[in-house]
Amino acid sequence: GAVVSQHPSRVICKSGTSVKIECRSLDFQATTMFWYRQFPKKSLMLMATSNEGSKATYEQGVEKDKFLINHASLTLSTLTVTSAHPEDSSFYICSANPGRNTEAFFGQGTRLTVV
Amino acid sequence: DAKTTQPNSMESNEEEPVHLPCNHSTISGTDYIHWYRQLPSQGPEYVIHGLTSNVNNRMASLAIAEDRKSSTLILHRATLRDAAVYYCILRGLIQGAQKLVFGQGTRLTINP
Repeated sequence: GAVVSQHPSRVICKSGTSVKIECRSLDFQATTMFWYRQFPKKSLMLMATSNEGSKATYEQGVEKDKFLINHASLTLSTLTVTSAHPEDSSFYICSANPGRNTEAFFGQGTRLTVV
Repeated sequence: DAKTTQPNSMESNEEEPVHLPCNHSTISGTDYIHWYRQLPSQGPEYVIHGLTSNVNNRMASLAIAEDRKSSTLILHRATLRDAAVYYCILRGLIQGAQKLVFGQGTRLTINP
């Protein structure tokens, strides 16, 4: 089946630095990808919709300057957490779907720890 | 966003069927009913989805009420590997995109 791959699977960074997370659709093209974050024992919270060739659409309360999204090709979206702080530590997950009204495929997630 | 309501947790025994309910009384005519499950420290995994008719695949069955205001995910013979959080989600167009907005889900425990 279709595969969405995230990299890295886990990252530890120092407070104040930036971290980039990649999300790739391996065997299909995705004009739209989605980014989520998940805190321990909580559900996934949709952060933003990544649109190939145009600006991302952010959910209410998500800082676009803090979480930079770039969707430069039909198979790659990146999320950059800028000037990371310990409260940004979380599990970040991306998803994409091969077509309209099809199932969504999720990446394996990226565990970010800011120290 | 159309919301779903699921029990917080359920428990079942290995090799027995499991029926996971979901209420979605505000569903619109174009919303698809999607089910995903998530194991700890992993991204969600697709289980099944449908619009109006009942659906079957190798993982599960989805029974959709005639008025579409509720649905039930059926695992025919649970195994320990089915222990996960199960999310029932309505998927339609939100601001031009087919978003999946997650609720709290049902934590399913399988007893050996």
